[in-house]
Amino acid sequence: NAGVMQNPRHLVRRRGQEARLRCSPMKGHSHVYWYRQLPEEGLKFMVYLQKENIIDESGMPKERFSAEFPKEGPSILRIQQVVRGDSAAYFCASSPGITTWTETQYFGPGTRLLVL
Amino acid sequence: GQQVMQIPQYQHVQEGEDFTTYCNSSTTLSNIQWYKQRPGGHPVFLIQLVKSGEVKKQKRLTFQFGEAKKNSSLHITATQTTDVGTYFCAGFNNAGNMLTFGGGTRLMVKP
Repeated sequence: NAGVMQNPRHLVRRRGQEARLRCSPMKGHSHVYWYRQLPEEGLKFMVYLQKENIIDESGMPKERFSAEFPKEGPSILRIQQVVRGDSAAYFCASSPGITTWTETQYFGPGTRLLVL
Repeated sequence: GQQVMQIPQYQHVQEGEDFTTYCNSSTTLSNIQWYKQRPGGHPVFLIQLVKSGEVKKQKRLTFQFGEAKKNSSLHITATQTTDVGTYFCAGFNNAGNMLTFGGGTRLMVKP
């Protein structure tokens, strides 16, 4: 049973470019969460999605960041016009979606984004 | 908003010594989870505590949830080098619709 998959594992972008991070949840999971982790810090919640629906995006910066989880395919976290401060590890987690938040979340390996 | 704090931020121990990390929330939690993240790795779920005063054990790890459901602790007995990593607590608010992570405690074990 494959776990949560994220790609790419490492992504280098120059300032002003776009970054697209992908997350495929565990088989049978319909809820996806995105977190950002700055070096030497904890995880900060960004957004919580189920298929074709954003449940909670209270942790998403208002500009340049967007997320989607289409009916088919992986969840995408998109960062437009990246800046150096966007450099971080971005983790995706998934849960079965039987209840809401309080389910155990299973984390993917993360995408390390470096903005030059 | 809800804040979850962990202390200490860093802890160096000699192999065989015990280790404890403490987690404190600014608000009452519905439940709390603990995760371990190895250097360069991703958070791995360890356990969830739900009941007030609950204590759970996993081999050398003991997890406690405070009576007021505002604090928690993780205690490791006789640390080993394989225990190295950052331990995060993550608390759900009472509505169960927000998971907030603590800043983590980074454990380093000298052989």
